[in-house]
Amino acid sequence: SQQGEEDPQALSIQEGENATMNCSYKTSINNLQWYRQNSGRGLVHLILIRSNEREKHSGRLRVTLDTSKKSSSLLITASRAADTASYFCATDANFGNEKLTFGTGTRLTIIP
Amino acid sequence: EPEVTQTPSHQVTQMGQEVILRCVPISNHLYFYWYRQILGQKVEFLVSFYNNEISEKSEIFDDQFSVERPDGSNFTLKIRSTKLEDSAMYFCASRGRRYGYTFGSGTRLTVV
Repeated sequence: SQQGEEDPQALSIQEGENATMNCSYKTSINNLQWYRQNSGRGLVHLILIRSNEREKHSGRLRVTLDTSKKSSSLLITASRAADTASYFCATDANFGNEKLTFGTGTRLTIIP
Repeated sequence: EPEVTQTPSHQVTQMGQEVILRCVPISNHLYFYWYRQILGQKVEFLVSFYNNEISEKSEIFDDQFSVERPDGSNFTLKIRSTKLEDSAMYFCASRGRRYGYTFGSGTRLTVV
């Protein structure tokens, strides 16, 4: 698998339910970030978790990181229709340059 | 909140023509990047730029591509002779000393 793969590729849930998306990566990382992208639009930074952190919260978002399994999860609680978007994880492995390697994304659809 | 600004938002060009995509990064940022996203695919790193020179480039960034920071504020991506497969969304991003990427809203390039 490629660096940064999300699963599922697509997820549809009812409004109010929680949505969980997973990301796996292959190489050691410095940081892992999650981004949201509305259809055809720009990338919105959601949350960053450093390699020495295990869990981070921001509003309705909860991110976990398991460096031993090289995986991360993004949980969106109490989903809203406005959460409908694609969600990408992005890792960086280089100290200094810190280019990002993006995953393939999860397309989340919230059904009102 | 500071933004990365990209112009134009959409550019249509004929195959073989040169295009210049423009970006105004956040003023006190030091690291600059171009990424692209072919429709329906993942976001891919193209090039990073620091201290007025390219610090890293991907295999995609061949001799047809170049970047410049001509006046200390703009950051441009030039494609010398566009091909159909260059059609994509191009994202500029910048980063300061403290970790934190900011992406622009993208330029959708369509090569016909």
